Amino acid sequence: GAVVSQHPSWVICKSGTSVKIECRSLDFQATTMFWYRQFPKQSLMLMATSNEGSKATYEQGVEKDKFLINHASLTLSTLTVTSAHPEDSSFYICSAYGTPSYNEQFFGPGTRLTVL
Amino acid sequence: TQLLEQSPQFLSIQEGENLTVYCNSSSVFSSLQWYRQEPGEGPVLLVTVVTGGEVKKLKRLTFQFGDARKDSSLHITAAQPGDTGLYLCAVSIQGAQKLVFGQGTRLTINP
Repeated sequence: GAVVSQHPSWVICKSGTSVKIECRSLDFQATTMFWYRQFPKQSLMLMATSNEGSKATYEQGVEKDKFLINHASLTLSTLTVTSAHPEDSSFYICSAYGTPSYNEQFFGPGTRLTVL
Repeated sequence: TQLLEQSPQFLSIQEGENLTVYCNSSSVFSSLQWYRQEPGEGPVLLVTVVTGGEVKKLKRLTFQFGDARKDSSLHITAAQPGDTGLYLCAVSIQGAQKLVFGQGTRLTINP
């Protein structure tokens, strides 16, 4: 149990286009989901926290108009990178809290975004 | 300034050797977690340490939480190529569920 999936696993897009990444909790209800970004050879940096049915909370330095987050249901959160640029190329990882365990975040497998 | 300082950042050793990696901070934490991440995948929780001085073992991995709950170490005995990966320590902050990660230790075990 406690599986989190992401789709797509990788995406290549042209500069200026928008890309949507989905994060799903497959077998539990995720009251809170987190989005992280990881550049090559670096650690995970938290971008934003999303709670089901409410607006996301963004970390300092993360542009909320560029990284649109929607958490419309207890099993799905989406991250849309708008007007993507090459510097947005990164590994995006989501995680989820909820039943069955509120003491552990369950991480998705990540989405590799490459912007040409 | 990093809340969690991990060292070393890179480590490459031969199969069969022992190693220790560290996670240090000047702050006190109620708990600390260790994760392993393999290339192209999300991190996987290895252990959570809660009590100062606590030692937890996971097969050949031994985790210790400092007495003052400011630091932690991960010791691997007889490392194997399957131990290769990025080892991350993390703590929850602000009484919330947000996790802050250290920079990670990138471990390579050579056959």
